[in-house]
Order: sequence, then structure tokens, then C-alpha cells
Amino acid sequence: NAGVTQTPKFRVLKTGQSMTLLCAQDMNHEYMYWYRQDPGMGLRLIHYSVGEGTTAKGEVPDGYNVSRLKKQNFLLGLESAAPSQTSVYFCASSRSGQGYQETQYFGPGTRLLVL
Amino acid sequence: QQQVKQSPQSLIVQKGGISIINCAYENTAFDYFPWYQQFPGKGPALLIAIRPDVSEKKEGRFTISFNKSAKQFSLHIMDSQPGDSATYFCAAKGGGSARQLTFGSGTQLTVLP
Repeated sequence: NAGVTQTPKFRVLKTGQSMTLLCAQDMNHEYMYWYRQDPGMGLRLIHYSVGEGTTAKGEVPDGYNVSRLKKQNFLLGLESAAPSQTSVYFCASSRSGQGYQETQYFGPGTRLLVL
Repeated sequence: QQQVKQSPQSLIVQKGGISIINCAYENTAFDYFPWYQQFPGKGPALLIAIRPDVSEKKEGRFTISFNKSAKQFSLHIMDSQPGDSATYFCAAKGGGSARQLTFGSGTQLTVLP
């Protein structure tokens, strides 16, 4: 199992450009998440999905859109990139079901630089 | 609004020493408290977790101590090793339909050989 994979690993954008980050998981997890990691701020939730075809806003959703057309994929889009979106983006997934001890499994991250 | 406060920001410990990282939370709806370990260039990975009805949980050299009345919890790494050098994040989970994780700001641990 590859677990959670992210594409691309690194990208440089100019202000105003758009791009899509792809997350894929092969663990048949229901829940998927997008976080951004900035120095001194930990990980902050951007958007999440509790199942195929569903998405919801997290703590810092402005400037981002997401789609979950297939259960195994979760896409994060930047329509018009801004320098404030320079960050490391992590995707995570977790199983659904009862109980709250649901481990989130993280991908390796995408480093994005917006000039 | 930072719901989980973590300290210190960085920590340097000698090999064999004890590393202690502290977290405090505000939301009493939190009911699951995991710690994640992150090595450079990698994603975070679950290290150990605790529920609020337990005051302590130990797994090998790693121990979580939990004080529900004070709304604080801490990670203790006994016999710290250079391989433990990483960034550690505390987190809290609870409330909401997606049971989202709220992370602390992270502690960069360096264990000197």
C-alpha cells in the first residue's frame, strides 16, 4: 500500500496563476483532509470531506476550493494564487465509523511557493 | 483563535535525557488527544494518543500525562535519542460531525549525541 500520496512535491507559481494539488489514498478511507503548515502555526485545516461527493470548510478555507469526485482522490485548487498561500500543504485521510480514535494518515506534503 | 497552545517552541536535550513538551487546551468538548511526530520533509505521523478519562498512557519511551481539571497534557520522552530529533505536534479532537483535529504550533526537538 502506498498510503497517502500527493502530487506535485514542489511547485512555484506566480501571483494570479491557478493550480490543482492532487491527493490520493489507497486505504479505502471515507474522510479526507487538506491542511496547510506554516512556521510557528502548526497545521491548519483548509477543507475536508466525509465521503465521496461531499466537502466542507475548515479553519482557513478562503482562496481554496476542493472536490471529491472519487472516494480515493481529494483535489485542492487555487484559482488565483497569492503570496500568502506560500506554504506546505498536507493531505490526510482517516477511516469512518464509530469511535473517535481515528488516526489521520498524512501524505508527504506539497511545497508551494507563490512569487 | 488558537485552541491548543504548545510549548516550548524548541527544545534541546542531551542523549539519555528526558524531553518534556506541554500543551493546554480551552475547549472542553475535546475528547481525544493525539501527538504527532514529523521528520524533515515528511508528513506528520501518529506517535501516541490519550483519552480524557485516562491520566497517563505509556508506549515504550513515550508517555502522555493528562490533567483534565487543568486542561493540560504533556509528552514525556524518556532516554531521549538522536533519532527522536523531530518536530512534535500535540492535537485535540472533538465536536463537529467530522471530528476535526486542532493542532498545537509544534515543538522542534533536537537530541544531542
